[in-house]
Amino acid sequence: DIQMTQSPSSVSASVGARVTITCRASQGISTWLAWYQQKPGKPPKLLIYAASSLQSGVPSRFSGSGSGTDFTLTISSLQPEDFATYYCQQANSFPLTFGGGTKVEIK
Amino acid sequence: EVQLLESGGGLVQPGGSLRLSCVASGFTFSSYAMGWVRQAPGKGLEWVSVISGSGGSTYYADSVKGRFTISRDISKNTLSLQMSRLRAEDTAVYFCAKGSGGAVTASFDYWGQGTLVTVSS
Repeated sequence: DIQMTQSPSSVSASVGARVTITCRASQGISTWLAWYQQKPGKPPKLLIYAASSLQSGVPSRFSGSGSGTDFTLTISSLQPEDFATYYCQQANSFPLTFGGGTKVEIK
Repeated sequence: EVQLLESGGGLVQPGGSLRLSCVASGFTFSSYAMGWVRQAPGKGLEWVSVISGSGGSTYYADSVKGRFTISRDISKNTLSLQMSRLRAEDTAVYFCAKGSGGAVTASFDYWGQGTLVTVSS
């Protein structure tokens, strides 16, 4: 199974800050990586697919990069509505696996 | 507009069974893989199962293999998850999700609101 390791597990940041979240796969997954945002009591929302493609309707302050084993999600200027938990997911092979999540909190 | 509406969750005793359903609308149901993802209270996301667009291929997490069965009824635009021999560790919100492409290995671009399954005596 491919293990997905996210870091940090939580980050405290101010509105307007740049935030970077890292996801590392235990083996190469090319660009078969997605990023999701989840707010309390709500389902996850797809932000990025294929490592760097922005899902329709997602603000351009979100961006993804990486290939192989190392990936990043960047929020260029944190907005109040961005405070949430973010998950990466590998879509390279079964079993599909998610990272443990990164909680972005208000500083 | 894509919509996914789950139902069937509830309280069940250990060893019992439950069937979840997800009615889909707003897209060509047979063209996309569909899956179930669960989230235990206060925990992260865990993939459970995926079925291909045609229904001919199914995949399961080891934690549910042999106990859960995924299926789809294309005529009713409905995805199902039959769960048996339920355990306390199966307690979670179960989300129905649409695959973002034709492949079975994919990200999920639309999600239902989730249905809570509680396994307890």
